[in-house]
Amino acid sequence: DTEVTQTPKHLVMGMTNKKSLKCEQHMGHRAMYWYKQKAKKPPELMFVYSYEKLSINESVPSRFSPECPNSSLLNLHLHALQPEDSALYLCASSRAGGDGWRAFFGQGTRLTVV
Amino acid sequence: DQQVKQNSPSLSVQEGRISILNCDYTNSMFDYFLWYKKYPAEGPTFLISISSIKDKNEDGRFTVFLNKSAKHLSLHIVPSQPGDSAVYFCAASDRGSRLTFGEGTQLTVNP
Repeated sequence: DTEVTQTPKHLVMGMTNKKSLKCEQHMGHRAMYWYKQKAKKPPELMFVYSYEKLSINESVPSRFSPECPNSSLLNLHLHALQPEDSALYLCASSRAGGDGWRAFFGQGTRLTVV
Repeated sequence: DQQVKQNSPSLSVQEGRISILNCDYTNSMFDYFLWYKKYPAEGPTFLISISSIKDKNEDGRFTVFLNKSAKHLSLHIVPSQPGDSAVYFCAASDRGSRLTFGEGTQLTVNP
């Protein structure tokens, strides 16, 4: 199993809504990531969890709140988003490092904020 | 500051010919480089990688070359196939944590 599964695939939310994005992997990876990708731009790192602890926060606004309940799951809680937050949100996972390191990405959640 | 650059937004080649995608980086701390392929509305799919201690890695039709002194890497696809048409992202990692992506190159392989 080399899959990273993200739900939902599509999400439309109002600026006053609270929603959550979910990500799951069963590869035994101990590092998990959230990336944001706008149209015709590269993915940009938001958060990194290493061994279920937040290790990197790339100065992301507090309206995005990550959570790592266990080593297989990663959530991104959304609250009071702005229309400019509309993007493809990608989850990824990897081993913690070492030779042959690479990140596996999920299919993404297409988020539209109205 | 763009630490990973792909200066060609697009590349068009004929089926069966070689595709060469280029990437430059500025951060000397990068020690691992990867190429990902991406279709619209999907997540990036890993293609091939190379460690900074090597200068070449090959996997089937895909070969990545690394020139550390020039801070340059390239992806060669031979022979190119129409199914290779996608956006290709170069990415770099510092000790196996965060990935920094280039802007991407749209490859179109014409039948």
